[in-house]
Order: sequence, then structure tokens, then C-alpha cells
Amino acid sequence: ELQLLESGGGLVQPGGSLRLSCAASGFTFSSYAMSWVRQAPGKGLEWVSAISGSGSTIYYPDSVQGRFTVSRDNSKNTLYLQMNSLRAEDTAVYYCAKDYYGSGINYYFDYWGQGILVTVSS
Amino acid sequence: DIQMTQSPSSVSASVGDRVTITCRASQAVSSWLAWYQQKPGKPPKFLIYAASSLQSGVPSRFSGSGSATDFTLTISSLQPEDFATYYCQQANSFPPTFGQGTKVEIK
Repeated sequence: ELQLLESGGGLVQPGGSLRLSCAASGFTFSSYAMSWVRQAPGKGLEWVSAISGSGSTIYYPDSVQGRFTVSRDNSKNTLYLQMNSLRAEDTAVYYCAKDYYGSGINYYFDYWGQGILVTVSS
Repeated sequence: DIQMTQSPSSVSASVGDRVTITCRASQAVSSWLAWYQQKPGKPPKFLIYAASSLQSGVPSRFSGSGSATDFTLTISSLQPEDFATYYCQQANSFPPTFGQGTKVEIK
């Protein structure tokens, strides 16, 4: 059974840092692009990063460019999101999501983790 | 960025009703459009991709149509487990963007 399990969330002060992890199982991790998508409390969905299966291609929206870094360790079947210079508006549930088509980034998300809450507050 | 606008924002319906949700893109996205279902406290579930292709395991009462800027998600006969929030998402242009969601509530 395919599973994605996020960890590393919690409460952090504005300007602080946090690293999220997403442990994948049940599929050939290196064969699929992965993304992080977040959802602020009571709000809609916002894509925040994508990485190809090999890790060679990475994309971010303007809202997190220069502050967030996505990476993956295919030997450990794990996806990461390093978040620096955190702001109150980064408060959200963060989901890791598997790309539907394969190792290239296509932005259809067929499996999602349960999500992990990140709260940025003093 | 491409803006995705869903209508209505919420709809009240009864079991057995036919429900239609519309999604409009601010620019053409060809058929690069997906639909997701989300229940409270749960992650989104992938329902439809390429505007009209049903994801494996999704009941056939769900269907999608449209292209370019106008898309529709239809639930042909609403079931109790279908009460949820539905999101459209374009995958044609960077960055991928989602609609604001449509909440399907019990009448």
C-alpha cells in the first residue's frame, strides 16, 4: 500500500526555521516527482514546491522562493522541505504529494500524506 | 498566475441529487485540469485528471468535462459519502493553482 508520512512540524517563531520530512513507501520513490502543497487554516490549497524524480529539477512559487528548499534522498525514500525565514502567513498544514505521471514534474497529485501542521507565531 | 474560480462556493443538496460544480480559468489551460475531493481533517483525494479522465477507483457517478477556460465536475447521484469540499486545479502553466473550493453540504 502506498503511504506518505510527514513529520517535523510544530510551533516556530517568526524568522525561524523548520525542516519537514515525508517518508514514502509502497512505490518506487525515485520514479516519481514529488511536491509540497500547503493549506492555511480554513483556507484553500497552495502549491509550494516540486522536485523531479532524480532531484535535478526543482520549482518554487514566488511566495517561498529563496526561503524554502526542497530536496530528496532516494536511497532513504524521503522528501524534505527546509523552511527558513518563516512568517506568520506560512502557518498551514503541509502535505507531501506524489506526482501522477512519473519522474517529470506534471503537477497532478494522485497521493497525499496526512499532512503536518506548521504554526509560525511568537 | 492563472486564477481558478469555482462556482458556487457552496451548494446544499440531498442524497440522490445531481450536482454540478463549475471551474473557470483566467487563461486557457487546454485540458490540464484536475479535480480533488477533501473531507474535514483529511488530505485531498484525486478524482479526475486531464479534465475528464476518472482516476482508478473513483465511482463512475463522478464525471468531468470542459477545455480551455471552462470546466465542470458533475456528481450524477449524490451519495452520503460525497459531502465534502471540491477543488479544481490547473496543471498547464507554472505555477499550478487551485480554485477556492466548493463545499457540498447536506440539505
